[in-house]
Amino acid sequence: DTGVSQNPRHKITKRGQNVTFRCDPISEHNRLYWYRQTLGQGPEFLTYFQNEAQLEKSRLLSDRFSAERPKGSFSTLEIQRTEQGDSAMYLCASSAPGGGMNTEAFFGQGTRLTVV
Amino acid sequence: AQSVTQLGSHVSVSEGALVLLRCNYSSSVPPYLFWYVQYPNQGLQLLLKYTSAATLVKGINGFEAEFKKSETSFHLTKPSAHMSDAAEYFCAVNRDFNKFYFGSGTKLNVKP
Repeated sequence: DTGVSQNPRHKITKRGQNVTFRCDPISEHNRLYWYRQTLGQGPEFLTYFQNEAQLEKSRLLSDRFSAERPKGSFSTLEIQRTEQGDSAMYLCASSAPGGGMNTEAFFGQGTRLTVV
Repeated sequence: AQSVTQLGSHVSVSEGALVLLRCNYSSSVPPYLFWYVQYPNQGLQLLLKYTSAATLVKGINGFEAEFKKSETSFHLTKPSAHMSDAAEYFCAVNRDFNKFYFGSGTKLNVKP
């Protein structure tokens, strides 16, 4: 399967701990997105990479959140000093280069974070 | 202001009945519109997208959507619901170049 891969699928952590999630996009896709989805809501945009450059960050992405995409391949999302409000599904998506605004994003299965 | 609005957080239909899930978009955004489906504890899967080539767009699993500029709508329909269609459906718009904004979703329940 050559879809978007996210690891881990589930993460339970104690409040105050740091967590890191990984996303492997579809290999030829240069655009990569992170979204957060809480129960009963649609996904909310967090950040966007084109190749290795982080081009945009949402105001939702506090200083405790950091995302990287070294070499324009996989990406990591780190949350420092987790809080209970960080509990959510974190979704990664990628899209192909060269497409216009009607180019779809392909989503991974997400990482469900529970902060206890 | 919301870029897309989905009316009805829950819709329940009988198996074999028409499915209609509503999505209205803000007239201030270009209509780069998508419908995604999400099964429990899964990511999102593209159902269909509006490409301006035709106002009636056909997608996977028998779903289709009609773009109506005069009504700023992009409602999703399926003539006959199957049990396997039970899922959550999200309307989305691509704006600000490659930032997808999603509606709050509609959970579809299919009764036997």
